[in-house]
Formats: sequence, C-alpha cells, structure tokens
Amino acid sequence: NAGVTQTPKFQVLKTGQSMTLQCAQDMNHEYMSWYRQDPGMGLRLIHYSVGAGITDQGEVPNGYNVSRSTTEDFPLRLLSAAPSQTSVYFCASSGAPFGYTFGSGTRLTVV
Amino acid sequence: AQRVTQPEKLLSVFKGAPVELKCNYSYSGSPELFWYVQYSRQRLQLLLRHISRESIKGFTADLNKGETSFHLKKPFAQEEDSAMYYCALSGLGATNKLIFGTGTLLAVQP
Repeated sequence: NAGVTQTPKFQVLKTGQSMTLQCAQDMNHEYMSWYRQDPGMGLRLIHYSVGAGITDQGEVPNGYNVSRSTTEDFPLRLLSAAPSQTSVYFCASSGAPFGYTFGSGTRLTVV
Repeated sequence: AQRVTQPEKLLSVFKGAPVELKCNYSYSGSPELFWYVQYSRQRLQLLLRHISRESIKGFTADLNKGETSFHLKKPFAQEEDSAMYYCALSGLGATNKLIFGTGTLLAVQP
C-alpha cells in the first residue's frame, strides 16, 4: 500500500496564479484533511472531509477550496495564490482503528 | 473550545538526560490524545496514542484528566530523538478532527 500520496513535493508560484495540490489514499479511509505547517504555529486545519461529497472548513479555510468526488482523492485548490500561503501542506487520512496517516508534504513558495 | 497547548518551543537536553515534553489540552468531552514526531523534513509519524498505553522508542505518556495533561516522557534521551514533537487531540472515533499544538523542538546534545 502506498498510504497517502501527495503531489507535487515542491512548487513555486507567482502571486495570483492558481494551482491544485493533489492528495490520494489507498486505504479506503472515509476521513481526509488538509493542514498547513508554519514555524511557531504548528499544524492548522484548512479543510476536511468525512466522506465522498462532504467537505467542511477547518481553522484557516480562506483562500482554499476543496472537493471530494471519490473516497480516494481530496485535492486542495489555491485560486489566487498569495505570499501568505507560502507554507508546507500536509494531507492526512483517517480510518479506524489505526488513526491518522500523513502524506510527505508539499512545500509551496509564493513569490 | 478544543485547544492543545505546548508551552515550550524548544527543549535542549544532553544525551542520557531525562526528557519531559509538556502538553495540556482543553476539550469538552472525552478526547483521544496523541503524540506525533516529525524528523527533519519528513512526514509526521504517530508516536503514541493514549488509548493504546504503549511505549514506543522508550517514550511514554499518561493522560491526566484532572490536570488535562498528556506529557511525553523518556528517562534517557538519545541523539536520534532530536525532532519536532506535536501533541494532538481528537474526539473519539476515526472521523473527528485532529487538532495540533504548536510543537516542541527537542534537541539532544552529545
């Protein structure tokens, strides 16, 4: 099993550009989520999904959109990138009884 | 409100010294508590969860509901323990949000 796969690993964007961070899991987990990791702030929840077709906002959702058309995939979209979105992004999935599994992260720089 | 507090941004100890990483939480209900570890530029890995009461890599953590704490302890630190440690909580069940503290960087000096 690959677990949780995130692509790309690195990305540089110009202010105002759009992009999609991909996240896929092969564990048939219902719950998936996106976090951003910033120095001194830990991991903050952006959006999450409890199943296909269901998404909800986390702690810092502004500037990000998500959708969940399948159980496996949970892409995160930046519609108009801003320098404040420079961060490391982690996708996670969760299913009983093993808890949360994290992807390897996407390091995004917005210039 | 759900909240996880890790008061120390950095904890520096010498090899062989005891380690205690502090974690306090606020949650209305019965939370599930976790410790995650992140080695340099790697993904987060689950270290401990309170319901399993395991000891992983010599680390233990006991849930103290009276003090709302879940401190991580190890009697003798090793250099390879140097990493970022995050305390986290969620409600019971696999589909509850996981809320993280701000993390503590553990630096073990030789």
